[in-house]
Amino acid sequence: SYELTQPLSVSVALGQTAKITCGGKNIGSKNVHWYQQKPGQAPVLAIYRDSNRPSGIPERFSGSNSGNTATLTISRAQGGDEADYYCQVWDSSTAGVAFGGGTKLTVL
Amino acid sequence: EVQLVESGGGLVQPGGSLRLSCAASGSTFTDHYMDWVRQAPGKGLEWVGRSRNKANSYSTEFAASVKGRFTISRDDSKNSLYLQMNSLKTEDTAVYYCASTKTDFDFWDYWGQGTLVTVSS
Repeated sequence: SYELTQPLSVSVALGQTAKITCGGKNIGSKNVHWYQQKPGQAPVLAIYRDSNRPSGIPERFSGSNSGNTATLTISRAQGGDEADYYCQVWDSSTAGVAFGGGTKLTVL
Repeated sequence: EVQLVESGGGLVQPGGSLRLSCAASGSTFTDHYMDWVRQAPGKGLEWVGRSRNKANSYSTEFAASVKGRFTISRDDSKNSLYLQMNSLKTEDTAVYYCASTKTDFDFWDYWGQGTLVTVSS
């Protein structure tokens, strides 16, 4: 199965920039999607197809994908951005969905 | 916009069966691929399986952890998706979400609120 690796946690100072990585073999050739999940809530799409923002997601959220790493970047981090973030791809070799293990973002 | 509402969760003994439902409203259900995703308590998201749309023969895919035990079906006339879970194990304990997408490579743009399944004696 296709493995995606995320850091367990990322901390960022209020107003600074947080970067959450998602590593996978040649992930740059895949469409990567990111989800934000707050405690007790269903996940919400944060970034789709590497770098696109759904309506309702602040411009502070951006994404990139190249080589073996996809990155979710949150600029000017706010307390409301504290959440778990998951990357996701479709793995054609197994005809299944792969998730990263999730990253807990803490805004200090 | 699509609204998804799961139901059918509850407490079941190991080895037992349970059927979850997901009712959809607000958009053209028949065009969508529909997935089940679960989350064990305190753990990350885990994909369970997918039902493609009518145009793709309602074909299904499953995670290795549930293949042979879970089946997915849908009734487009009722805008409903189902997850039949057999031979349940304690490790199947989780909140089960249904979510919709448009292709294999695409994202889930709509999610339900989830339904809790607890497998315990």
